[in-house]
Amino acid sequence: TQLLEQSPQFLSIQEGENLTVYCNSSSVFSSLQWYRQEPGEGPVLLVTVVTGGEVKKLKRLTFQFGDARKDSSLHITAAQPGDTGLYLCAGASGGSYIPTFGRGTSLIVHP
Amino acid sequence: DTAVSQTPKYLVTQMGNDKSIKCEQNLGHDTMYWYKQDSKKFLKIMFSYNNKELIINETVPNRFSPKSPDKAHLNLHINSLELGDSAVYFCASSPGVGGSYNEQFFGPGTRLTVL
Repeated sequence: TQLLEQSPQFLSIQEGENLTVYCNSSSVFSSLQWYRQEPGEGPVLLVTVVTGGEVKKLKRLTFQFGDARKDSSLHITAAQPGDTGLYLCAGASGGSYIPTFGRGTSLIVHP
Repeated sequence: DTAVSQTPKYLVTQMGNDKSIKCEQNLGHDTMYWYKQDSKKFLKIMFSYNNKELIINETVPNRFSPKSPDKAHLNLHINSLELGDSAVYFCASSPGVGGSYNEQFFGPGTRLTVL
C-alpha cells in the first residue's frame, strides 16, 4: 500500500493548457514537499507546505495543502514545455521522520 | 557551487562484483540519505544518517552498506552485485529531520547497470 497516492500518473497536454496534480493519503502529514525531476537529473525541491489550508504560489504554479493535512494539489496555469518533468510529492507522516515519496506524475507539455 | 555531488555518474559492472558510490554535500546539512529509483521512477529510501549516526535503515539486503566518515559524506558500498540492483541511486541531504527540516536536496544520481 502506497502511503502517498499521486494522480494522474501520466499527463500529456498542449502548451497553454491548465492542469492539476493530486497527492492524497489517509495519513496526516506535518509537512509535504513537492519536487520536479527532469530526465537524467535528481529531484529539485519546489515548495514545502506546512499549515492545513495553506496556499503557496511559485510563478504559474499554485500549491495547496488540505485542511486536514492529508492531501495536497499542484495547479499549473498556462503550462509551458519547460514544465515537462516528473512531479513528486513527499512527506513524513505522524511522528515519523522517514520521508516517503509518491510514485509521481509524469507531465509532458507539447509546444 | 553549493550542492550535493555524487560519483560516479554511470557505473556498469558484472554480476558478483563489489562497487562503491561516493556522495558529498557542502550545504552544511546534518542529515544525508541514499535512495533507489527503479525503472518505474519510484523513489524509495534506503538509509539515512544524522550527524554520522545511522537513523533510517529500511528493508535493504545486507549486501548494501552505507558509511559516513563525517556529516558531509555518505558513501554506499554494494557487495556481490545482482541484476536486480540495476537502478538509479540518489544521494540527498536535508537540514535535519522532521517537518520542514526534511526538505531534500538531491545529487545528480548514479545509474548502476549490472550485466
